[in-house]
Amino acid sequence: ELKVEQNPLFLSMQEGKNYTIYCNYSTTSDRLYWYRQDPGKSLESLFVLLSNGAVKQEGRLMASLDTKARLSTLHITAAVHDLSATYFCAVAYMDSNYQLIWGAGTKLIIKP
Amino acid sequence: DSGVTQTPKHLITATGQRVTLRCSPRSGDLSVYWYQQSLDQGLQFLIQYYNGEERAKGNILERFSAQQFPDLHSELNLSSLELGDSALYFCASSLSTPSSYGYTFGSGTRLTVV
Repeated sequence: ELKVEQNPLFLSMQEGKNYTIYCNYSTTSDRLYWYRQDPGKSLESLFVLLSNGAVKQEGRLMASLDTKARLSTLHITAAVHDLSATYFCAVAYMDSNYQLIWGAGTKLIIKP
Repeated sequence: DSGVTQTPKHLITATGQRVTLRCSPRSGDLSVYWYQQSLDQGLQFLIQYYNGEERAKGNILERFSAQQFPDLHSELNLSSLELGDSALYFCASSLSTPSSYGYTFGSGTRLTVV
């Protein structure tokens, strides 16, 4: 059974700091997705990582994928208040017709 | 606008009642997924339909059912509602397999059972 674990589940940080959210998964997969959710809102796709070593960057966010380690990271550089949200990773499970298996989400609060 | 349309946006109903949530997938997407998200919780996968047929089932209660119609829109029926069914219900869509863009989510239906 594929399990996806995110950590930390909650993160409170100051503006201007750097931090990393980790997404570990238990079974081989080469497709990983990061989403952002603002409170009470829908999920917005941030990054799609489709191969080992893939790195994507958008503004202050950078995501990477290491399929051998079964690990993806979402790195936040010089955080700003607008990045406060819940971040989810999801892994495509090949043995289940590429169903997405979701992490529990990381609630990120960035204090001015 | 993500291209996935969910209606209604808000729904308030009493315990024991039945409601229907509707979802129109993004143009060209054949798969529809339903998720439940309770307050400050993660996403609970309910069910997937692909081109009119049930493809996968998650933690969907027997009181809940869904279907996908020939025009690919989908409905989620919730019956004998309980207070604990209050949640955000999301619909998402994708091509046959989520590849280059994963799932596209609708804006959700917020269900409040009183």
